[in-house]
Amino acid sequence: IAGITQAPTSQILAAGRRMTLRCTQDMRHNAMYWYRQDLGLGLRLIHYSNTAGTTGKGEVPDGYSVSRANTDDFPLTLASAVPSQTSVYFCASSEGGESPLHFGNGTRLTVT
Amino acid sequence: GQNIDQPTEMTATEGAIVQINCTYQTSGFNGLFWYQQHAGEAPTFLSYNVLDGLEEKGRFSSFLSRSKGYSYLLLKELQMKDSASYLCAVLDSNYQLIWGAGTKLIIKP
Repeated sequence: IAGITQAPTSQILAAGRRMTLRCTQDMRHNAMYWYRQDLGLGLRLIHYSNTAGTTGKGEVPDGYSVSRANTDDFPLTLASAVPSQTSVYFCASSEGGESPLHFGNGTRLTVT
Repeated sequence: GQNIDQPTEMTATEGAIVQINCTYQTSGFNGLFWYQQHAGEAPTFLSYNVLDGLEEKGRFSSFLSRSKGYSYLLLKELQMKDSASYLCAVLDSNYQLIWGAGTKLIIKP
């Protein structure tokens, strides 16, 4: 089934630990995005990639890094987790431009 | 700065009609999206408007007025499954999406 897959579904992480959230899509979309969603706030863009080999910073990039080695995969890494990074993380992809976003099911991350 | 405003929460009755408003102030405009998000799930695409007017898609319609910086999502014949958050998002001049905080819609029988 075509779509976008995120792993893990949920994770509890100790502060200071490193963590990589995985995201894979099989729709051959050029653009991919990482968002975080916190109660009472809109989706906030962390990083994005318009095409394989390129990445860009979003609204809240500090403490996060991404890579885009190929079209399908867009992992998000927290180098040293802090409690303020407790959130639900959504990966999304699109054909770019005005095309709608397709979202993964999200990763619920708790940093203690 | 860029800003999207929508009501935090609305309540409506099953079978009725509800209108969810969204006002925006952004750097440029390349279209407005509405997404539906059920609790604990991912957002899913509902509609896209780039020209003024009403777009109808089954029980859901979306309206846009670019001169007023205003859109609304109209849901008819409400069903219990329509209980969800509805997210308004504007594509700015750099083709970056600016998101509202979402409107939680509660449907009562």
